[in-house]
Amino acid sequence: KAGVTQTPRYLIKTRGQQVTLSCSPISGHRSVSWYQQTPGQGLQFLFEYFSETQRNKGNFPGRFSGRQFSNSRSEMNVSTLELGDSALYLCASSFGQGGHNEQFFGPGTRLTVL
Amino acid sequence: AQKVTQAQTEISVVEKEDVTLDCVYETRDTTYYLFWYKQPPSGELVFLIRRNSFDEQNEISGRYSWNFQKSTSSFNFTITASQVVDSAVYFCALRGGNTGNQFYFGTGTSLTVIP
Repeated sequence: KAGVTQTPRYLIKTRGQQVTLSCSPISGHRSVSWYQQTPGQGLQFLFEYFSETQRNKGNFPGRFSGRQFSNSRSEMNVSTLELGDSALYLCASSFGQGGHNEQFFGPGTRLTVL
Repeated sequence: AQKVTQAQTEISVVEKEDVTLDCVYETRDTTYYLFWYKQPPSGELVFLIRRNSFDEQNEISGRYSWNFQKSTSSFNFTITASQVVDSAVYFCALRGGNTGNQFYFGTGTSLTVIP
């Protein structure tokens, strides 16, 4: 079974631009979560989608948004990029929403904002 | 409030030594789940174990073992006879039992195993 895939793997943008990251969950998984990982803040939860609906949202500004498609694939968008948005963005999928579901992570997208 | 604390930021051990990674959590949920993930240098987090709040039995998987103690809100991870391939960042995580609860990750412990 293929794992979680994320595209692109690396991205360089400049301040003020916007970016869209993509995540394809493991086949059969309907929940997708996004995390931002930085050396200073660790892993911070962005949002979770299940059945095309955002079910949970972390404490990030409105510049960070996401969506999920009917095939469970998900995208996250960051508008008006800031230098502090440079991070590894991780996507994780799980079969369901219940707390017992472990999350399986993708390799991440390394975003650098210049 | 939900919180996971991994007080050990970095640990270095010599190969074949045993090492314990500490994890302390806070939650008001009566049902919750605890996880450990490994993040090798390649960056991809790898799921290691899940434990639910009703099962305090310790678990052993090869050289890995986990000690869950509700009385001290701890879920510690021990690697026996460490190997260089164990070098990674290890994350402890907590999730409430209800649908829609998010994962809360600790800040991670960077383990370096010296050959």
